[in-house]
Amino acid sequence: NAGVMQNPRHLVRRRGQEARLRCSPMKGHSHVYWYRQLPEEGLKFMVYLQKENIIDESGMPKERFSAEFPKEGPSILRIQQVVRGDSAAYFCASSPRQGVYEQYFGPGTRLTVT
Amino acid sequence: DQQVKQNSPSLSVQEGRISILNCDYTNSMFDYFLWYKKYPAEGPTFLISISSIKDKNEDGRFTVFLNKSAKHLSLHIVPSQPGDSAVYFCAASGGANNLFFGTGTRLTVIP
Repeated sequence: NAGVMQNPRHLVRRRGQEARLRCSPMKGHSHVYWYRQLPEEGLKFMVYLQKENIIDESGMPKERFSAEFPKEGPSILRIQQVVRGDSAAYFCASSPRQGVYEQYFGPGTRLTVT
Repeated sequence: DQQVKQNSPSLSVQEGRISILNCDYTNSMFDYFLWYKKYPAEGPTFLISISSIKDKNEDGRFTVFLNKSAKHLSLHIVPSQPGDSAVYFCAASGGANNLFFGTGTRLTVIP
């Protein structure tokens, strides 16, 4: 049973470009969470999605950030017009049911904005 | 506003001895707590959890203690092994959909 998959593992973007981060949850998991970790900080919640639905986006910046989890395919975190402050590690987690319990994390995507 | 705090950024322990990692929280609505372990370039891996109705949970070498009145929890690792060297994150939830993480403690177990 493969774990949570994220790609790319490393992504370099120039300021103003778009970044697309992908997350495939564990088999049988329909709940996906995105977290961001800035340097020297803990992980901070961004958004929680179920298939085709955004359940909680209270941690998402109001502009430039969006997320989706389509019926088919991976969950996508999209950052438009990236700025240097977006440089961080972005982690995706999945769980088999609602509620935090044990969330299983992917290896993360390290985004660098130059 | 950091609702979960790990005030020790690092800890060094001799192999075979006990490692004690501490975590404090400020939100009295938190009712479920977890510890994650993280190696460089990997995602956090779930270690152990505890519900607020308990004050202790044990799993092999790992024990988590919860003191609700002090809003404090700790992770004990006995005996510590070199493979335990990693960053340990404390996390908490109040019934919502997300976890609140501390800033982590880097544990180094010296052979």
